[in-house]
Amino acid sequence: AQKITQTQPGMFVQEKEAVTLDCTYDTSDPSYGLFWYKQPSSGEMIFLIYQGSYDQQNATEGRYSLNFQKARKSANLVISASQLGDSAMYFCAMRDPMNSGYSTLTFGKGTMLLVSP
Amino acid sequence: DVKVTQSSRYLVKRTGEKVFLECVQDMDHENMFWYRQDPGLGLRLIYFSYDVKMKEKGDIPEGYSVSREKKERFSLILESASTNQTSMYLCASRHTPRGARNEQFFGPGTRLTVL
Repeated sequence: AQKITQTQPGMFVQEKEAVTLDCTYDTSDPSYGLFWYKQPSSGEMIFLIYQGSYDQQNATEGRYSLNFQKARKSANLVISASQLGDSAMYFCAMRDPMNSGYSTLTFGKGTMLLVSP
Repeated sequence: DVKVTQSSRYLVKRTGEKVFLECVQDMDHENMFWYRQDPGLGLRLIYFSYDVKMKEKGDIPEGYSVSREKKERFSLILESASTNQTSMYLCASRHTPRGARNEQFFGPGTRLTVL
């Protein structure tokens, strides 16, 4: 069964606007972590933001915030004030269980974001 | 600055050749990972290693093997390359998770073409 679902293959946004990239997940483990990575055309995966399942507050990192709705099992990435350099592929990923060297990341299929001037 | 390096950015090999992809990290990380990335499929885990000389199969290990003789180096081996192994290969590393985010750090990737 698919554990991470990103339903938007591609998104367009104008510069300076906010954009939300969707991510839903499935796990029966109460302890897990959610990650978002950015992959520009150069290919390298860049870590953006992390949310632990027990964290009370939604994570924020600069222009990135994570809209974490535990009951709905969703962890959407919000990018405020989009910039041209935000054009990239974005991946949502989940780690469960949380605290083990055996735990791995399961990735979604990704969303391609294009920011236009 | 943390660093994961991969031996080649681009590689072209012939069907049947033995191929070695090397990954080195300088962060003293215990865990290392090999993924392949294909359009529309996201990243899929091939093998991972939670410590030196340890290895575990991921989701798609068929046709691959790995070696981890030293903590900083994790090698992916294609014993007999086939055209369906043409892909982008990404290496990653992290500390063993202990209650913190312990994100994976990725290398730049190797784009392998098998002719």
